[in-house]
Amino acid sequence: EPEVTQTPSHQVTQMGQEVILRCVPISNHLYFYWYRQILGQKVEFLVSFYNNEISEKSEIFDDQFSVERPDGSNFTLKIRSTKLEDSAMYFCASHREGQPQHFGDGTRLSIL
Amino acid sequence: AQRVTQPEKLLSVFKGAPVELKCNYSYSGSPELFWYVQYSRQRLQLLLRHISRESIKGFTADLNKGETSFHLKKPFAQEEDSAMYYCALRGATNKLIFGTGTLLAVQP
Repeated sequence: EPEVTQTPSHQVTQMGQEVILRCVPISNHLYFYWYRQILGQKVEFLVSFYNNEISEKSEIFDDQFSVERPDGSNFTLKIRSTKLEDSAMYFCASHREGQPQHFGDGTRLSIL
Repeated sequence: AQRVTQPEKLLSVFKGAPVELKCNYSYSGSPELFWYVQYSRQRLQLLLRHISRESIKGFTADLNKGETSFHLKKPFAQEEDSAMYYCALRGATNKLIFGTGTLLAVQP
């Protein structure tokens, strides 16, 4: 069964540095998402992406964040200048029209 | 406001006992409700969606619009059911709104 894949599984970055989290959604899916889960808290929506543009973004998704689909397979989340509070598990998800979302394994981002 | 509430952080039961994981929601329109499960160190996996009305791994969940609830039930818990369970709501914009999750611990 096809899966959403995310790399890296764990990213350690110095505060203030840029980080790019990568996702490969399932190939025939058209809707893409990023969520994050701070340790001990619930999974929170960050952004949704469809037809090569952002459909919706949350209050968390400020100017430090951006998403891109640079080619036909990858979907990336970039954090320009990381802060300590960006430390979290970041999940990518994708789905077809009307179908449930499928999640990747997540990337654990640790900001030092 | 769109909100999902899972009142129990931890539910501990013995093997063979019935399980009910509670989920209540707040949404002004007609939401779609899901249960996702996360086994230790694994990804979030879809367990159930309310519109399919099926039973997966012995679990069922019925949407009660009057009580705005979508409780997850299983008549006889198994040790392999031990996991984190998240209730989620999908509204008109497709994003998922999650509850805080309930850790189900099934004791032998």
